[in-house]
Amino acid sequence: RKEVEQDPGPFNVPEGATVAFNCTYSNSASQSFFWYRQDCRKEPKLLMSVYSSGNEDGRFTAQLNRASQYISLLIRDSKLSDSATYLCVVNSRNNDMRFGAGTRLTVKP
Amino acid sequence: DGGITQSPKYLFRKEGQNVTLSCEQNLNHDAMYWYRQDPGQGLRLIYYSQIVNDFQKGDIAEGYSVSREKKESFPLTVTSAQKNPTAFYLCASSMGNNQPQHFGDGTRLSIL
Repeated sequence: RKEVEQDPGPFNVPEGATVAFNCTYSNSASQSFFWYRQDCRKEPKLLMSVYSSGNEDGRFTAQLNRASQYISLLIRDSKLSDSATYLCVVNSRNNDMRFGAGTRLTVKP
Repeated sequence: DGGITQSPKYLFRKEGQNVTLSCEQNLNHDAMYWYRQDPGQGLRLIYYSQIVNDFQKGDIAEGYSVSREKKESFPLTVTSAQKNPTAFYLCASSMGNNQPQHFGDGTRLSIL
């Protein structure tokens, strides 16, 4: 089983839709969780950290479910500019960061 | 402006040649990382360094070497032993373990 797993998608949604992605992780001792965004042929950029109590940044909401070992990202009122690949990142047993392979989102007019 | 600079942006390697990818950061971060990304794939860790003069192998270190002589710099050498070097190479840095990583804009390496 991979340490971090994501549904690769693609998720194709219309503008204005709400879309959610999940990411499961295998290390029950993980303490650090992040969502990154990666545009085609570009470097990943930090979107938001994920805190135990859940956190929101504008249209983006991140949540952590320790019991089921997954994190989620919810995007409300999708914009065309949200089209990208979303990577989840979790710290591993060796304390380095493990990246999921990403979920591709396309927002269509 | 603070950030991470990778160079060159594009690099071509001949058969049997070693090439070195540069990564410099002025964020005063202790930890630095090298990843490889193949088309449509996730990031795989090559090497990482948590402090000057120390580094550890990641999942795919074979055929690569690094050095960390200065806090700001973490160059990656792709040796001739790496038989399939064509990929997008990303350097990152962070304040330390479990802190978010910040990436340079990458180097694309291809074989001539």
